[in-house]
Amino acid sequence: QSALTQPRSVSGSPGQSVTISCTGTSSDVGGYNYVSWYQQHPGKAPKLMIYDVSKRPSGVPDRFSGSKSGNTASLTISGLQAEDEADYYCCSYAGSYVFGTGTKVTVL
Amino acid sequence: QLQLQESGPGLVKPSETLSLTCTVSGGSISSSSYYWGWIRQPPGKGLEWIGSIYYSGSTYYNPSLKSRVTISVDTSKNQFSLKLSSVTAADTAVYYCARTELVVYATAFDIWGQGTMVTVSS
Repeated sequence: QSALTQPRSVSGSPGQSVTISCTGTSSDVGGYNYVSWYQQHPGKAPKLMIYDVSKRPSGVPDRFSGSKSGNTASLTISGLQAEDEADYYCCSYAGSYVFGTGTKVTVL
Repeated sequence: QLQLQESGPGLVKPSETLSLTCTVSGGSISSSSYYWGWIRQPPGKGLEWIGSIYYSGSTYYNPSLKSRVTISVDTSKNQFSLKLSSVTAADTAVYYCARTELVVYATAFDIWGQGTMVTVSS
């Protein structure tokens, strides 16, 4: 079970949008609508941002959105803010869990 | 508000067994709506799911770790535990416990503990 592939880093200026991709296979990302996304600030525990591909938990700003096409899921942050600077991980469930390699989002 | 707290030794010798406990407060571990899991993160690296358990004791594990992992639950203490045998330096990581809420979040980990660092070294 290989880790899902994410870009190492993405960056954007405040107010801009950034998109993080998460590529798996037809056995995980492509086969099920069980993709979740987590935000992790340095030294902190991960925080759930998106579940079931595109659903947001209560309290998560609507600037965060998720989608999926084929074997690739995506997290988009619109209206980027300074506090969005963090690491982001995707996760797919297909009988067991596999996480993505992680993406560092930098706010310029 | 439900909270999770990991506890256990911060240093384990190579070839020995790593043992951690996660204490659930502010709610019952025995609810049929939850699974309870362990996830780890080596320093500077990504997240890796270790395994999950239901209050009944039903478990499922990461295939790559299955031969070395045992997760158990103690409903009387509102705790669940992780044992990882034959550890090496590669098992050095921050270990998190987390909840999966089945009704709304289905498979996502919606509540996490703060994490505990475990170093494998002689």
